[in-house]
Amino acid sequence: GAVVSQHPSRVICKSGTSVKIECRSLDFQATTMFWYRQFPKKSLMLMATSNEGSKATYEQGVEKDKFLINHASLTLSTLTVTSAHPEDSSFYICSARDPQREYNEQFFGPGTRLTVL
Amino acid sequence: GQNIDQPTEMTATEGAIVQINCTYQTSGFNGLFWYQQHAGEAPTFLSYNVLDGLEEKGRFSSFLSRSKGYSYLLLKELQMKDSASYLCAVMDSNYQLIWGAGTKLIIKP
Repeated sequence: GAVVSQHPSRVICKSGTSVKIECRSLDFQATTMFWYRQFPKKSLMLMATSNEGSKATYEQGVEKDKFLINHASLTLSTLTVTSAHPEDSSFYICSARDPQREYNEQFFGPGTRLTVL
Repeated sequence: GQNIDQPTEMTATEGAIVQINCTYQTSGFNGLFWYQQHAGEAPTFLSYNVLDGLEEKGRFSSFLSRSKGYSYLLLKELQMKDSASYLCAVMDSNYQLIWGAGTKLIIKP
């Protein structure tokens, strides 16, 4: 139980294009999902908290117009990197909490490695 | 400010025991988590402590002292597959996870 999928796992795009990453909770309903990015050998950096049916809450320093988040249903959240540039190349990971679980642990998707040329 | 400290890297021998420490200073406390992350993969949940004391789960144990702002993850009977980064994370008063930078554990034969 508590499986989170993420698609695509790897994407290479040209500078200036937009990339959409999907995060799905496969066997539970997640009212809250989280989007992280991680640079090599660095810790997870929370970008935003995605709430089903409402606007995402962005962390300080994260451009909401550049990183568009949509939480359309209880099992799906999407992150769109708009007008991507090489500095946006990173490992993007989503996570979700299962409200039925005893702890408040987050279950992570497998991550998406974005390379912007 | 909020801060999580853990060693950057540790080395241990296959079959041995290793203890990875984590100290924290956060605004409020709603539990401490340990996650394992293999290179190029997403983190996986290992343990959760919210009360003082030791939680044992197979070869892995996690300890918490709230008064000292301190936790450790103890790995016994180390196996090569335990080579990974171990992330300490604290849930603050807003139920947000504050992440440490992770400890890279290298297991040698």
